[in-house]
Amino acid sequence: DIQMTQSPSTLSASVGDRVTITCRASQSVSSWLAWYQQKPGKAPKLLIYKATSLESGVPSRFSGSGSGREFTLTISSLQPDDFATYYCQQYTAYVPITFGQGTRLDIK
Amino acid sequence: QVQLVQSGPEVKKPGASVKVSCKASGYTFTTYTIGWVRQAPGQGLEWMGWIRTSDSYTTFAQKVQGRLTMTADTSTNTVYMELRSLTSDDTAQYYCAREFGDYDAFDFWGQGTMVTVSS
Repeated sequence: DIQMTQSPSTLSASVGDRVTITCRASQSVSSWLAWYQQKPGKAPKLLIYKATSLESGVPSRFSGSGSGREFTLTISSLQPDDFATYYCQQYTAYVPITFGQGTRLDIK
Repeated sequence: QVQLVQSGPEVKKPGASVKVSCKASGYTFTTYTIGWVRQAPGQGLEWMGWIRTSDSYTTFAQKVQGRLTMTADTSTNTVYMELRSLTSDDTAQYYCAREFGDYDAFDFWGQGTMVTVSS
């Protein structure tokens, strides 16, 4: 299976900060990568698909970049609603789908 | 609007089976595949498998292969996930989620079903 490793595991930041979360794959996943936001007690919410495409309805302060093995999720200016846990997911065809271990974004 | 509504919480004894339903509405059921993802308490997301609702073709993660069945009822737009021979390691929140292709991002999720395995 393709291993997905996120860094950092925990991130403390303030409202208005620019933050970046990194996701590395153990082998190339091309651009078959998604990012999700999850709040406590809730289902994950799709933010980014195909590495860089913003899901409909998601604020433009979220952006994704990368291809191959290294990807980033950037939040350009943190808002109070953004404090949550973020997961990357690879969905390469004919390979088991795998998620990163998650990055918890806390208020500093 | 798209909705995936899952059945309620379950408490099972070790060795038992559990069957969780996921009822879809607001879109053409057979156009999308349904995947299942679980999350143990305080842990990350684990993909379990998916079912292509148009022909009921399934693919499962190796970890649960042999214990997992997924079925799709196109008359009620409902997908069922059955996990057998439960152990405490199966205690988790189970989510169904919609994906356009067999291997795709999950764009809509159910609310989750908590399955607790305890003697």
